[in-house]
Amino acid sequence: RKEVEQDPGPFNVPEGATVAFNCTYSNSASQSFFWYRQDCRKEPKLLMSVYSSGNEDGRFTAQLNRASQYISLLIRDSKLSDSATYLCVVTMIYGGSQGNLIFGKGTKLSVKP
Amino acid sequence: DAGVIQSPRHEVTEMGQEVTLRCKPISGHNSLFWYRQTMMRGLELLIYFNNNVPIDDSGMPEDRFSAKMPNASFSTLKIQPSEPRDSAVYFCASSFSGGGRSTDTQYFGPGTRLTVL
Repeated sequence: RKEVEQDPGPFNVPEGATVAFNCTYSNSASQSFFWYRQDCRKEPKLLMSVYSSGNEDGRFTAQLNRASQYISLLIRDSKLSDSATYLCVVTMIYGGSQGNLIFGKGTKLSVKP
Repeated sequence: DAGVIQSPRHEVTEMGQEVTLRCKPISGHNSLFWYRQTMMRGLELLIYFNNNVPIDDSGMPEDRFSAKMPNASFSTLKIQPSEPRDSAVYFCASSFSGGGRSTDTQYFGPGTRLTVL
């Protein structure tokens, strides 16, 4: 079983739509969770961290379910500029510092006019 | 502020040649990571350094790959000899780790697109 699994998509949605991505992770010892965004032929960039209580950043909402080892990202009122690949990332903490980032292969989103 | 700097941005070489990729982390960061990204395998960690010391190199594919970090502002990833299956995008990332913080954001460089013919 892969450590971090995501639906590769692509998700093709119209502008203004709400879209949700899911991610599952296999290591129950994972402690930190993130969503990264990667544009075509660019480097990954941190979109947001994911906290146990859930967190929101503008149109983006991230949720974590530790019992089910499941992470989600919800994008509301999607924009053309949201078109990208969204990478689910988990990590463990060693000695108070972040350990290796384990990346999912990403879910591709394409927002159409 | 300058981000993570990688060079070259593109490299085309022939099988058997030595390839050296370079990375300058963000000033003040004490952790440096080398990743490889392919369509088939996604983004994989190759090796990471903390305070210039290699901490985990379990992701390095084989002995043909080596990485060094001689000082806090420079790292190299070398492939010798290169093979066509090494063709990928190689990313360097840096972060500041420690101080009891539970999240240390990694900042990625623009990557080196390597093609081995």
